[in-house]
Amino acid sequence: DTQMTQSPSSLSASVGDRVTITCRASQRISSYLNWYQQKPGKAPKLLIYAASNLQSGVPSRFSGSGSGTDFTLTISSLQPEDFATYYCQQSYSTPPTFGQGTELEIK
Amino acid sequence: QVQLQESGPGLVKPSETLSLTCTVSGGSISSYYWSWIRQPPGKGLEWIGYIYYSGSTNYNPSLKSRVTISVDTSKNQVSLKLSSVTAADTAVYYCARDRGYYDSGTYYVGMDVWGQGTTVTVSS
Repeated sequence: DTQMTQSPSSLSASVGDRVTITCRASQRISSYLNWYQQKPGKAPKLLIYAASNLQSGVPSRFSGSGSGTDFTLTISSLQPEDFATYYCQQSYSTPPTFGQGTELEIK
Repeated sequence: QVQLQESGPGLVKPSETLSLTCTVSGGSISSYYWSWIRQPPGKGLEWIGYIYYSGSTNYNPSLKSRVTISVDTSKNQVSLKLSSVTAADTAVYYCARDRGYYDSGTYYVGMDVWGQGTTVTVSS
């Protein structure tokens, strides 16, 4: 299986901050990388597909980049509704695998 | 607006079979892959497997010997069966739609619609 490792595992930030979460794959996965946001008690929500493409309806403050093994999710200016857990997921090989999650907390 | 709703028993005894159904409303089950994903309490996400509307399946090798996913297009439903469950199978179970996207001529897949999830506890 392709292992996905996110860093940091948790992050404290303030409204208005710029935040970056990283995701590393254990093998090259080209741009087959998705990002999800999950709030407590809710299902994950697709934010970014194919490493850098914004899913319809997702605010433009979210952006993704990377290719190969290293990827980033950036939130340009944190809003109160952005405090959640973020997961990366590779769709390059079966089984699809997720990172362990990054919990974004209010400072 | 496509919506997914998982249903099934919230409590299953050890060694028995977990059975869940995902009902798709607001759209057709046709032309899509449908995945099951689970999340143990306080932990991350694990993909269980998917089924195409035509019935072809692919399972996570770690669960393959115990998993069966089926589809009923007449009812717009996808079902999950997981046999010989143990406490380690306690989790929130989600169904999700796998959607394809083209970017620069390459086909990518993301899970774009999710059900709300259903909690299954394995306990005697």
